[in-house]
Amino acid sequence: ETGVTQSPTHLIKTRGQQVTLRCSSQSGHNTVSWYQQALGQGPQFIFQYYREEENGRGNFPPRFSGLQFPNYSSELNVNALELDDSALYLCASSLASADTQYFGPGTRLTVL
Amino acid sequence: QQQVKQSPQSLIVQKGGIPIINCAYENTAFDYFPWYQQFPGKGPALLIAIRPDVSEKKEGRFTISFNKSAKQFSLHIMDSQPGDSATYFCAAMEYGNKLVFGAGTILRVKS
Repeated sequence: ETGVTQSPTHLIKTRGQQVTLRCSSQSGHNTVSWYQQALGQGPQFIFQYYREEENGRGNFPPRFSGLQFPNYSSELNVNALELDDSALYLCASSLASADTQYFGPGTRLTVL
Repeated sequence: QQQVKQSPQSLIVQKGGIPIINCAYENTAFDYFPWYQQFPGKGPALLIAIRPDVSEKKEGRFTISFNKSAKQFSLHIMDSQPGDSATYFCAAMEYGNKLVFGAGTILRVKS
């Protein structure tokens, strides 16, 4: 059984650019949630996708958007990057929207 | 607004000791309470979780104690080892999908 995978591992962007992060869910999981973890803090919920539809959103601006594909993999897109977007971005998958969430290793984004 | 308050911020124990990490919440709609362990540069890994109809749950060396009336829950690590040195996060699930995390506790187990 393959766990949650994320790509890329690290990414460096400049302010104003756009970025796409990718996540492959654990086998059999149809739900993907994205979190932002700033240095020294707990993860903050961005949004969740269940069967290709957004199923809940945290307190993040519209420049954070996402997609889920028929194979349940997912993308997180961030437009107009700001310095405060520098963080570890975590993807978590679960069997269903209310089930246990299993996290991937994260993508470390640095915005200069 | 911090919906899940976690303490202490950091903790040092001797090998074999029993570190205890505490969390408190306000939102009575929370219905699922997991604990995650995170090593530097890695994603959080699920340790153990509890639902509010149970007062205690034990898995291996990890025990959750849950006090619904006080809206508090805690993690105990029995016979702690240097390999347990990590950051621990409590969390609560809201509305069936969103995990709300505490600020984390950095645990160091001295050998």
